Amino acid sequence: AQTVTQSQPEMSVQEAETVTLSCTYDTSENNYYLFWYKQPPSRQMILVIRQEAYKQQNATENRFSVNFQKAAKSFSLKISDSQLGDTAMYFCAFSNYGQNFVFGPGTRLSVLP
Amino acid sequence: EPEVTQTPSHQVTQMGQEVILRCVPISNHLYFYWYRQILGQKVEFLVSFYNNEISEKSEIFDDQFSVERPDGSNFTLKIRSTKLEDSAMYFCASSADRGGSPFNNEQFFGPGTRLTVL
Repeated sequence: AQTVTQSQPEMSVQEAETVTLSCTYDTSENNYYLFWYKQPPSRQMILVIRQEAYKQQNATENRFSVNFQKAAKSFSLKISDSQLGDTAMYFCAFSNYGQNFVFGPGTRLSVLP
Repeated sequence: EPEVTQTPSHQVTQMGQEVILRCVPISNHLYFYWYRQILGQKVEFLVSFYNNEISEKSEIFDDQFSVERPDGSNFTLKIRSTKLEDSAMYFCASSADRGGSPFNNEQFFGPGTRLTVL
């Protein structure tokens, strides 16, 4: 079974600074997807960024980028120029082709003014 | 922009009572899911549904749970006899496809229903 680990239960960053959230996963599959979801206090789940495992190029989405290391099974999220609105729980998620999502335990990020 | 909606936003019920959580997936999506998040814990998969039948379910999804697509738009989760440990946030999600590009595989989540069992 696939597992997703997020080793940082909580993190904080100063506004406008950069922060990196870590995620590792375990799978024997070669093709899969990885996602980062944001859950603000409203508890809505919002997709931040996604990555296909067969693509070597790291995904970027405005201030959000990932460092995908397939051999190490690592998928970290970098948030640049952090904003107060980035304060939220961040969940890393894994999905095999055609299968359901497995979520990590989450990292609570606080952006400090 | 199309979105997944869920009702009610908060449901309070007595232990042993039946509850039905409702979801309206995005209209052209074919795959539907329910997830559960106990307060302070991670999101856990419950069940997926395609072509009017369950395609996959987790060990959490026991005989107390059932899902239904009663019409062309709604997707419901029923808990027959609620227990205290059913208190959680329940998320509905839908996707256009399950394989191929992640752009189709992406699951769009609803805002959730907070279920409180007393």
